[in-house]
Amino acid sequence: GIQVEQSPPDLILQEGANSTLRCNFSDSVNNLQWFHQNPWGQLINLFYIPSGTKQNGRLSATTVATERYSLLYISSSQTTDSGVYFCAGRDPNDYKLSFGAGTTVTVRA
Amino acid sequence: GAGVSQSPRYKVAKRGQDVALRCDPISGHVSLFWYQQALGQGPEFLTYFQNEAQLDKSGLPSDRFFAERPEGSVSTLKIQRTQQEDSAVYLCASSLERFRGHPNSPLHFGNGTRLTVT
Repeated sequence: GIQVEQSPPDLILQEGANSTLRCNFSDSVNNLQWFHQNPWGQLINLFYIPSGTKQNGRLSATTVATERYSLLYISSSQTTDSGVYFCAGRDPNDYKLSFGAGTTVTVRA
Repeated sequence: GAGVSQSPRYKVAKRGQDVALRCDPISGHVSLFWYQQALGQGPEFLTYFQNEAQLDKSGLPSDRFFAERPEGSVSTLKIQRTQQEDSAVYLCASSLERFRGHPNSPLHFGNGTRLTVT
């Protein structure tokens, strides 16, 4: 199956800072998604982004499908951005979405 | 509209007990997935349903795990003779479209059921 590598594993930010999270895939994927898991364990959809660039408020994401990676940008971080960020992708010939190990983001006031 | 609903939110079971976890997907969603998330790790795939058909159960860790979706809507994940290693959060997700050869659409996850086996 698809291997998903996320970096960095941990990120500590001062409120207001910008950051970039990266996700590498071992093979071509579709149905690429970014999620935020809040401290209560809820997995929240951030982006469905098999290719291209999308923006939603202070968050944006870029996927370069031909090079098998995706980036998540957090600008002007806030304490509510804390939590674990997961990316996940699906082999076109498979059913399951495979997740990375996550990036734990801590934003300090 | 309503999202994916899971119940119970928390479940404590004594080792050896059977448990049943319920998932109500978003109405009209064809695809339904179960995932298991251990503490500090990413979700791991358990099984996939397309309507009532279980098309992939390759992620079920043992024959103590059983899932069904008899009418193509609500799904139940059953764990028999629970063991301590079954302690995890069990996540259900649904998606509008079929997979494999059909247009894809994003997965929407429920809040999960946290299972603790003592």
